[in-house]
Amino acid sequence: GQSLEQPSEVTAVEGAIVQINCTYQTSGFYGLSWYQQHDGGAPTFLSYNALDGLEETGRFSSFLSRSDSYGYLLLQELQMKDSASYFCAVRAPSSGGYNKLIFGAGTRLAVHP
Amino acid sequence: GAVVSQHPSRVICKSGTSVKIECRSLDFQATTMFWYRQFPKKSLMLMATSNEGSKATYEQGVEKDKFLINHASLTLSTLTVTSAHPEDSSFYICSARDTHRETQYFGPGTRLLVL
Repeated sequence: GQSLEQPSEVTAVEGAIVQINCTYQTSGFYGLSWYQQHDGGAPTFLSYNALDGLEETGRFSSFLSRSDSYGYLLLQELQMKDSASYFCAVRAPSSGGYNKLIFGAGTRLAVHP
Repeated sequence: GAVVSQHPSRVICKSGTSVKIECRSLDFQATTMFWYRQFPKKSLMLMATSNEGSKATYEQGVEKDKFLINHASLTLSTLTVTSAHPEDSSFYICSARDTHRETQYFGPGTRLLVL
């Protein structure tokens, strides 16, 4: 089967640092992506890790450990606008020779003043 | 940046009618597009993978005859919800994969309400 686990909710204050963890169990693995989704909106791409290690993009960083089937998204210098749902997603093989994104349940981040 | 559009953004229809949703990649070619369904405060559930010029690949539990997918060109995929019922009411999101990159871009979604 395929499963991704991430915390359902996280709360933090402006300026703080938050880490959202994701563990996965999938049939096949190409890489781990992170998406942000505000209420009523579409998911927007944040990062993609295919290899072990840390990828940094501005205030956001993402980490992957393939041997541990684990990754995390690190958000620094939190701002109110960062309040949203964050999804980890595994890119895995699908039938027909293509690959697909399998999403976790999402973590709702609430940033307070 | 890459843009994916969906039309319509919102649709209300009567039970028993069919609804077509279009997904377009505006500035890149997408041999593969994906259709997702999302219920309020829930995750995105992949319904099917749409491949240009060939049949769509449906996920387990998704009815092929209920959700018709056509990917006629490198920039357009359509999802038709046939004989819609109230339980089909949901947020439908398409996603297009840039053929030359390892990135999937999402459309703004279509909110379907079946009365």
